Amino acid sequence: DGGITQSPKYLFRKEGQNVTLSCEQNLNHDAMYWYRQDPGQGLRLIYYSQIVNDFQKGDIAEGYSVSREKKESFPLTVTSAQKNPTAFYLCASRKDEAPYTEAFFGQGTRLTVV
Amino acid sequence: GEDVEQSLFLSVREGDSSVINCTYTDSSSTYLYWYKQEPGAGLQLLTYIFSNMDMKQDQRLTVLLNKKDKHLSLRIADTQTGDSAIYFCAEIFTSGTYKYIFGTGTRLKVLA
Repeated sequence: DGGITQSPKYLFRKEGQNVTLSCEQNLNHDAMYWYRQDPGQGLRLIYYSQIVNDFQKGDIAEGYSVSREKKESFPLTVTSAQKNPTAFYLCASRKDEAPYTEAFFGQGTRLTVV
Repeated sequence: GEDVEQSLFLSVREGDSSVINCTYTDSSSTYLYWYKQEPGAGLQLLTYIFSNMDMKQDQRLTVLLNKKDKHLSLRIADTQTGDSAIYFCAEIFTSGTYKYIFGTGTRLKVLA
């Protein structure tokens, strides 16, 4: 079955450590997105990528980094520079051939800094 | 800036209609979307509307679009307890790249 998978579901990180969140899709989608969700603030765009080896900053990219070496994978690294990383992180993908194509979401990763 | 705004909470009684509102900023958006998020899960597309339409109906869902005011609404008829979730509107910015922007989300609580 095709889909988009995020792992792990829960992640704990010590302050000062970098951590990488995985996002994999087998839908043959071109575009992939990372969002951060905080209570009362909805989804905020961190990074997005339309093709392999290319990505753009979203609204809150500071303290995060991404790579897009393969079409199927778009990992997000939360660096120690991110001041308040505890949040729910959602990855999404779309077939980017037209604006009406639906975004498919993973089940999310809840990151907690301890 | 690119803002999509929604009210944060809505509470309705089971069987009543729910109306969730959204205002968006990009007048060039060609499609506007409504997504639903169950607790602790990702988002799922409910419906979308093309910008040259004023209304779209899909079973219990009715989407109204007022382009002049940049206002989008989602009406859920005969609201059920299973409709309790967070509802997001979203728009695509098509200036160069397809940047997909979501609203703040409205938490709908359905009271039995």
